[in-house]
Amino acid sequence: DTGVSQNPRHKITKRGQNVTFRCDPISEHNRLYWYRQTLGQGPEFLTYFQNEAQLEKSRLLSDRFSAERPKGSFSTLEIQRTEQGDSAMYLCATGTSGYSDTQYFGPGTRLTVL
Amino acid sequence: SQKIEQNSEALNIQEGKTATLTCNYTNYSPAYLQWYRQDPGRGPVFLLLIRENEKEKRKERLKVTFDTTLKQSLFHITASQPADSATYLCALEIDSGYALNFGKGTSLLVTP
Repeated sequence: DTGVSQNPRHKITKRGQNVTFRCDPISEHNRLYWYRQTLGQGPEFLTYFQNEAQLEKSRLLSDRFSAERPKGSFSTLEIQRTEQGDSAMYLCATGTSGYSDTQYFGPGTRLTVL
Repeated sequence: SQKIEQNSEALNIQEGKTATLTCNYTNYSPAYLQWYRQDPGRGPVFLLLIRENEKEKRKERLKVTFDTTLKQSLFHITASQPADSATYLCALEIDSGYALNFGKGTSLLVTP
């Protein structure tokens, strides 16, 4: 257990519905990342927060995706109008500013879009 | 474009042997390279980080080498155990330096 928690662990939804995932970071970590991982692939970067500021978004993050990190604590990732292609594991990772970028991952939220 | 390549085929070895996994990259000038372990249905777990000015790094039964000329890192597990069976991911920072790009990972199976 890295200390990063994610909820829910599993989510099944119908195409077209909205879903929201939550990530609670290690308390002293100011960096927070969202990744998406599909079967047989490595995690793919979606977006990055430093404290409450969203500093970078991947081109993978379409307009249907939005992420927030109010007050620099927990973060939420919302997917609107889900599509079957959104089915994946959504991973949250946290870290601290410094010379390296070691990241501590949560257990992930497995999304299945029917 | 930037690419990270890892052995696509699973690596099967016998308990007690040394496992060697390869990570090759193109169009990167990384300041460091990281290795993570991932078990099925779980998030990746950080194992080792090696910087560009380091040739080799060790941690218990793990050893990582980093050759910036060959653009390659090798990850070794000595005296392998069935508990070492997992997928091992190589990662480099993306252009902006804010996050990581991961390879697809290599699946390792250690049999008794």
